[in-house]
Amino acid sequence: GAVVSQHPSWVICKSGTSVKIECRSLDFQATTMFWYRQFPKQSLMLMATSNEGSKATYEQGVEKDKFLINHASLTLSTLTVTSAHPEDSSFYICSVKIYNEQFFGPGTRLTVL
Amino acid sequence: QQQVKQSPQSLIVQKGGISIINCAYENTAFDYFPWYQQFPGKGPALLIAIRPDVSEKKEGRFTISFNKSAKQFSLHIMDSQPGDSATYFCAASGGDSSYKLIFGSGTRLLVRP
Repeated sequence: GAVVSQHPSWVICKSGTSVKIECRSLDFQATTMFWYRQFPKQSLMLMATSNEGSKATYEQGVEKDKFLINHASLTLSTLTVTSAHPEDSSFYICSVKIYNEQFFGPGTRLTVL
Repeated sequence: QQQVKQSPQSLIVQKGGISIINCAYENTAFDYFPWYQQFPGKGPALLIAIRPDVSEKKEGRFTISFNKSAKQFSLHIMDSQPGDSATYFCAASGGDSSYKLIFGSGTRLLVRP
């Protein structure tokens, strides 16, 4: 399968600040990446689909102005949580689509104080 | 119609036993059914996947059984080991949202030594 990395693995920030999370596909080029959010003891919820060179497609209920996604290259997608608030604290996980399968990154734990 | 229902929510099995997790779906357009394993604080890892053209797929101790008419599929873990203790998610994709994965709610498996 594909190897996916995320950076940082965890981040703590103050309320009102912005945080950028990187997702890299290390051994495959990925036209499509996905961003998920997972709250404790819950399932993964798809936030948005990131397509290289075009705007991301957001799921219903996800604020596109709050969760900015940039997929500038075939190996890198970034998620920026703008003006973060404590309710944005969660586990953010990206995945890459390779040959119709999805491979996930290790996740980023975001804590907003 | 986009839901994937997973059961049980939690499962305790003795070492060497068989762990069985079940999932059911409604959308007949789904054509890809993966299972993911997730350890605490980590991203999900693709375990095994099946497509509707086969009724069973086996990889090592892991087997997917697929019943197209009943719209159900299940994961069987043979000779369960303490290292298998994790949360397991079934998922499905296909149809209009071809590459989006719809996740089940997850099953927390504990294998006792």
